[in-house]
Amino acid sequence: QVQLQESGPRLVNPSGTLSLTCTVSGGSIITTNWWSWVRQPPGKGLEWIGEVYQSGSTNYNPSLKSRVTISIDKSKNQFSLKLNSVTAADTAVYYCANLWVPPGDWGRGTLVTVSS
Amino acid sequence: DVVMTQTPLSSPVTLGQSASISCRSSHSLVNDDGVTYLSWLQQRPGQPPRLLICKVSNRLSGVPDRFSGSGAGTDFTLKISRVEPEDVGVYYCAQSSQIPYTFGQGTKLDIK
Repeated sequence: QVQLQESGPRLVNPSGTLSLTCTVSGGSIITTNWWSWVRQPPGKGLEWIGEVYQSGSTNYNPSLKSRVTISIDKSKNQFSLKLNSVTAADTAVYYCANLWVPPGDWGRGTLVTVSS
Repeated sequence: DVVMTQTPLSSPVTLGQSASISCRSSHSLVNDDGVTYLSWLQQRPGQPPRLLICKVSNRLSGVPDRFSGSGAGTDFTLKISRVEPEDVGVYYCAQSSQIPYTFGQGTKLDIK
């Protein structure tokens, strides 16, 4: 079964850029799947951030679109998230996932805190 | 955006009894291809969400048949029969018919 693992800085300064990478193992990132990023503020619900396809095509949540870039690196079997101009409201557990295609793999998530 | 509204937000259940969660969408989830992209996810304490059911009623491999999904259009239901201790957690409905994909607020299932 495919496994996903998020990596990146756990602490980001306000107004800085949050950068995370998701490494896909146990399978190829070159599939018919769209690869997504989802976040969950502590104690709250889920928010879809955006997705990327193997071709590099992307879809973003309009609420974050002006600040988000999602990209894919097929040679490394990875996809990445960049969120700029962050504030405390961006503090959350960030998950990478294949959301909708069975088996619907998710990473374990990484808590990113925005604070000085 | 499609707003997903779940009821109840909290559901205390006796072991062995059934639980039912309702999910209503602000717009029809029937996609242009005729498919309804409504999913249910389970999030156990301290774990990432897990996809249980996709396309309204298609249970994923390994998901007990105690879980069943139903509904159409804008009204959907997740039923859990014979609740077991491992079912404790938060359940989310989610739609992928329209971008941005959206989730319900979550329903917390716990044992009485």
